[in-house]
Amino acid sequence: RKEVEQDPGPFNVPEGATVAFNCTYSNSASQSFFWYRQDCRKEPKLLMSVYSSGNEDGRFTAQLNRASQYISLLIRDSKLSDSATYLCVVITYSSASKIIFGSGTRLSIRP
Amino acid sequence: EAGVAQSPRYKIIEKRQSVAFWCNPISGHATLYWYQQILGQGPKLLIQFQNNGVVDDSQLPKDRFSAERLKGVDSTLKIQPAKLEDSAVYLCASSLRVLNHEQYFGPGTRLTVT
Repeated sequence: RKEVEQDPGPFNVPEGATVAFNCTYSNSASQSFFWYRQDCRKEPKLLMSVYSSGNEDGRFTAQLNRASQYISLLIRDSKLSDSATYLCVVITYSSASKIIFGSGTRLSIRP
Repeated sequence: EAGVAQSPRYKIIEKRQSVAFWCNPISGHATLYWYQQILGQGPKLLIQFQNNGVVDDSQLPKDRFSAERLKGVDSTLKIQPAKLEDSAVYLCASSLRVLNHEQYFGPGTRLTVT
């Protein structure tokens, strides 16, 4: 089993729709979580950190479910510009920080 | 504020040749990361520096890859000798502190090994 898993998609949704995807992790000791977006042939860009209580940034909401070991990203009122690959990052702290990126979920918004 | 700079942007070499990549992080960022991203996969951490010390290099193939950050600012990643499976994008990222992993990425170097 991979340490961090994401549904590769693609998720193909109409503009204005709400879409959500999850990222599961296997190490219950993992402590920090992030979402990045990556446009085709570009570098990843930080979208948001994921806090224990959940957090929102405009149309984006991130949640953490420690019991079931997953994080989620919800996008409301999706825009064409939201089309990208969304990468989750899971960090476990021990003697050194272990940083693992998921393989990404591809999202395509259609007009 | 200037972002993370990387060069070259593209490199094509033959297998068994050597190659080096350069990265200059955001000014004031103590932590620097090198990642390898193979097409269709997420970035894989190769090495993490805190200032000029190595924090984690557990996934760096040390028989052929080396990296340094001598003055705690810019960094180089070298591959010698290259293999076909090293074809990937090499991404450099930086963050303010070692326990703050909000990372800012450079544009990457696309390496093709033929």
